Amino acid sequence: QSALTQPASVSGSPGQSITISCTGTSSDVGSYNYVSWYQQHAGKAPKLLIYDVTNRPSGVSNRFSGSKSGNTASLAISGLQAEDEADYYCSSFTSSSTLEVIFGGGTKLTVL
Amino acid sequence: QLQLQESGPGLVEPSETLVLTCTVSGASISSNNYYWGWIRQPPGKGLEWIGSIDFSGSTYYNPSLKSRVTIYVDTSKNQFSLNLSSVTAADTAVFYCARLPGGINGVCPLCSYYYYGMDVWGQGTTVTVS
Repeated sequence: QSALTQPASVSGSPGQSITISCTGTSSDVGSYNYVSWYQQHAGKAPKLLIYDVTNRPSGVSNRFSGSKSGNTASLAISGLQAEDEADYYCSSFTSSSTLEVIFGGGTKLTVL
Repeated sequence: QLQLQESGPGLVEPSETLVLTCTVSGASISSNNYYWGWIRQPPGKGLEWIGSIDFSGSTYYNPSLKSRVTIYVDTSKNQFSLNLSSVTAADTAVFYCARLPGGINGVCPLCSYYYYGMDVWGQGTTVTVS
């Protein structure tokens, strides 16, 4: 069970848009639409941003959006704000015949 | 408002068994629309799913930890717990409990699982193995 692959870091200026990729395999991201994204500020618990590839929980800004193509999922953040500076993690199902979840290694977003 | 709170020792000796408990308040742990899970994060590293349990006590474990992990639920106390045996320094981490909305479609073995992410998290508890 290998972790999903994310870039270690991305950066952008306030107001800009950025995208974070999450690459898996045909056994996880490529097979299931159960990809989630989490935001984690330093010293805090993760917060669910996106579930089922594209869905936002109530209360999450529409500046955050998710997509998937093949074995790669992506998180897009538009209109970057200083408070978006955080670590971002993707996760995916690895099997629908049981409950098994893997995370990506995480991406540090720096708002310049 | 749903809240999850982890509790347990902050320090565990090598080779011992780590025991953590997550107390759920504001909702019943017996709902059949949710799983409950444990996730850990070593210092400076990423998140790792440890395992999950549903209201009936069915468990699901990370294959890499399965031999050392037991998760169980106490519906009378609205709690679920994690046992991690034979700990080493590599198990030092912040441990989180979380709720996973989801369920099962169909009848097993011809069933498929689904979930909607981990939507509520505890604040986390730091465990050091030393």
